[in-house]
Amino acid sequence: QVQLQESGPGLVKPSETLSLTCAVSGYSISSGNFWGWIRQPPGKGLEWIGSVHHSGSTYYNSSLKSRVTMSVDTSKNQFSLRLSSVTAADTAVYYCARRGGTYNFDFWGQGTLVTVSS
Amino acid sequence: QTVVTQEPSLTVSPGGTVTLTCASSTGAVTSDNYPNWFQQKPGQAPRALIYSASNRHSWTPARFSGSLLGGKAALTLSGVQPEDEAEYHCLLYYGGAQVFGGGTKLTVL
Repeated sequence: QVQLQESGPGLVKPSETLSLTCAVSGYSISSGNFWGWIRQPPGKGLEWIGSVHHSGSTYYNSSLKSRVTMSVDTSKNQFSLRLSSVTAADTAVYYCARRGGTYNFDFWGQGTLVTVSS
Repeated sequence: QTVVTQEPSLTVSPGGTVTLTCASSTGAVTSDNYPNWFQQKPGQAPRALIYSASNRHSWTPARFSGSLLGGKAALTLSGVQPEDEAEYHCLLYYGGAQVFGGGTKLTVL
């Protein structure tokens, strides 16, 4: 069974960089899938942040592209998200997920709340 | 900026049938948008229900079905159960980028 677990600071100061990691178990991150990050501000809908492949290929949401970096660490079977210059608008639950072969996110982490506040 | 639109809220009676839709600001939703549907209950992560418009995941109950209908993606729930009360999200693919709809809050009453 594929399992994903997000980790990282729950509180980030404005203008700083948010960094999260998603540990994958039960499945090799090098198996050919893309891996995604999705966020959900409190009381709002889901927003796709981007997707990354173990080869380094990435797709980012155009509205966040200038601030987002995603990467994969195959040795640790995990992938990461960095979002720079954060503001209160970046406060959200951040989810990581596996993207299946037909652009579907089939397995998700439980999510982690990141609050941007001084 | 592409916008994906869903009904904000719908209400259905137990045992009834309801259809949720997902529209694209770029025009008709087609199979090339690989429509996905997710169910999310309060305090939980989304759970995948449907992919590529009409394919159920192995864990998706048969009462959930997906289709393309009148230029939109559609999710139909037949024989609705009380536990189907949740938020439903659609996701469309646009050649690399993916966009979620705003979500539909389904009330079973």
